[in-house]
Amino acid sequence: DAGVTQSPTHLIKTRGQQVTLRCSPKSGHDTVSWYQQALGQGPQFIFQYYEEEERQRGNFPDRFSGHQFPNYSSELNVNALLLGDSALYLCASSLVAGAGGNTIYFGEGSWLTVV
Amino acid sequence: AQTVTQSQPEMSVQEAETVTLSCTYDTSESDYYLFWYKQPPSRQMILVIRQEAYKQQNATENRFSVNFQKAAKSFSLKISDSQLGDAAMYFCAYRSAGGATNKLIFGTGTLLAVQP
Repeated sequence: DAGVTQSPTHLIKTRGQQVTLRCSPKSGHDTVSWYQQALGQGPQFIFQYYEEEERQRGNFPDRFSGHQFPNYSSELNVNALLLGDSALYLCASSLVAGAGGNTIYFGEGSWLTVV
Repeated sequence: AQTVTQSQPEMSVQEAETVTLSCTYDTSESDYYLFWYKQPPSRQMILVIRQEAYKQQNATENRFSVNFQKAAKSFSLKISDSQLGDAAMYFCAYRSAGGATNKLIFGTGTLLAVQP
């Protein structure tokens, strides 16, 4: 049973560029969320996707956008990259049914370095 | 808004000994879930233990147990018989029970070192 998979593992981008990160949820899961984890900090919630729509959003600017596909996989897009966007980006998945009672599973993350 | 605070940036324990990691939180909600996640150098967040706020009994998972004090809004993690593989960053996290939300609110983490 494949867990949450993310790609790429590492990437380096230049300020002002755009980046796309990808996530495949754990088999059977229908909800995907994205988190940003800066060095030495706890993860911060970016947004959540369910039924191909953004359902909840954290305190992140519009430069952060996402998409969920019919197969439940998801993308995180960040435009006009800033040095402060350098972080580990974690994808998490769960089943919406049962809401807070369901376990959230995380991928290993994508390390983004902006230079 | 809910907040989670971990006041111990680093902790150290001898192998086979017991260590307790602290976590406090703030919320006006009555129903919620609390979690401890472990993040080893591989970076993947691994669920260690969870507690439902409506349950008075403290959760246990093998060598891991929690002390949940709802009135004090305190949620500590006790690791018994510590092993070298327990060395990692530990995060306390909060999740609302209402609505279909995956939003976890994390603390800043405690880095646990296990000395042989």
